Formats: sequence, C-alpha cells, structure tokens
Amino acid sequence: GDSVTQMEGPVTLSEEAFLTINCTYTATGYPSLFWYVQYPGEGLQLLLKATKADDKGSNKGFEATYRKETTSFHLEKGSVQVSDSAVYFCALSDRETSGSRLTFGEGTQLTVNP
Amino acid sequence: DAGITQSPRHKVTETGTPVTLRCHQTENHRYMYWYRQDPGHGLRLIHYSYGVKDTDKGEVSDGYSVSRSKTEDFLLTLESATSSQTSVYFCAIKSGPEETQYFGPGTRLLVL
Repeated sequence: GDSVTQMEGPVTLSEEAFLTINCTYTATGYPSLFWYVQYPGEGLQLLLKATKADDKGSNKGFEATYRKETTSFHLEKGSVQVSDSAVYFCALSDRETSGSRLTFGEGTQLTVNP
Repeated sequence: DAGITQSPRHKVTETGTPVTLRCHQTENHRYMYWYRQDPGHGLRLIHYSYGVKDTDKGEVSDGYSVSRSKTEDFLLTLESATSSQTSVYFCAIKSGPEETQYFGPGTRLLVL
C-alpha cells in the first residue's frame, strides 16, 4: 500500500538557518504530494502541493520539488523564522486508491529559536 | 478557509458511553473525511463519504460508525467509547481539480 516516510524530529534551528525536512514515499499509482503545517493548538493548513513529476510547490518561502526518480518531496526554506515553529506533515493522495484518501507521514516538529 | 466547522471542539467522556462528533461544511463538497491524529502516527483515515448516504471505511474504522444524511453534515459516532479512542479528530473536505483536502479545526476527545 501507499506510505510516506518523513525524517525524524524534533528539529531545532536558529533563526535564519536553512531548513530541510526529508520526505519519501511509496505509491501504487501516480500520486499528488502535499505538505501541511500545524501550528500549536490548531488544525492542519495546506502549505504547498505538487501534482506531477518535476513540479515545484512553493508558499511563504517554503519549496518542495516532486522527484519521481527518487520518490521524494523534500521541504526546504532558505531562512527560517521563529514563526515557522510548527509540526510539518508530508502526505500523498493517490487517485487509484478509493476515495483519494490522504496518506500522511508521522510529522516533523520544528522549533526555531531567536 | 474551506467553511468547515466541527463540534464539539473539546469533549471529556467516560468509557462505554456513546459519543457523536459533527462536521459541517457550507460549500457543497461531495467528499468528506474523518481522520484521527495520534503522536507517532500522523493522521489516519477513519471513514470517508463520497455523497449523501455513501460512505466507506478507512484504515482505522473499528469502533467507529458514520452517517451522512445531508450534504453539509458528516457525523462520526463512537458507539461505546474506549480509552484508546482518546485522540484529536479532524474532518476534511476535498476540493478542486487537484483534489486537495482542507481540514477543520479539530475536536479533542478524552475518554476516561
């Protein structure tokens, strides 16, 4: 079945540091890929997405590129801020799976210190 | 904001009691989903609906039932709550040609 593997957390960085959160996937079909972010005490918000190979999703300074050859969708940001502290989830949606359900990684807790 | 509300937002209940959580949407989306969030597991699908009276199971459906009698409401019922069902429950809808899912604010359930 489908699965998503994220780098283990928690991750702690200083403000203005470079961020990478690794995400790899397995899927039977041709999935769409997503990054969601969850701020403390809140629900999940869509951060960015990509629907086909070599697509780059971007939002709020975050980027991720859909790499079919390495089955990866790593999240990057050049300069993190304290306000980026949150839990980040990588997810896939496979149209060949009934209901196009989302399959999530375990989440990566990011803490950014001033 | 995808116009999704969940109620209640917090609930404490006792083992063995029935509990119903409500998800309400205002934008006539066909697909609705219930997930639970637990540490170390991310989010896992409980049940989903693809239309009024049309529902199907997800990967962690045991102990849960759902109903959808009208487009805007998707109810999740724990027939007899257990401590293992202590979790945060999220409702989602699917929208757009890219089939993106958008989430409600969540319901935090504690089963004592």
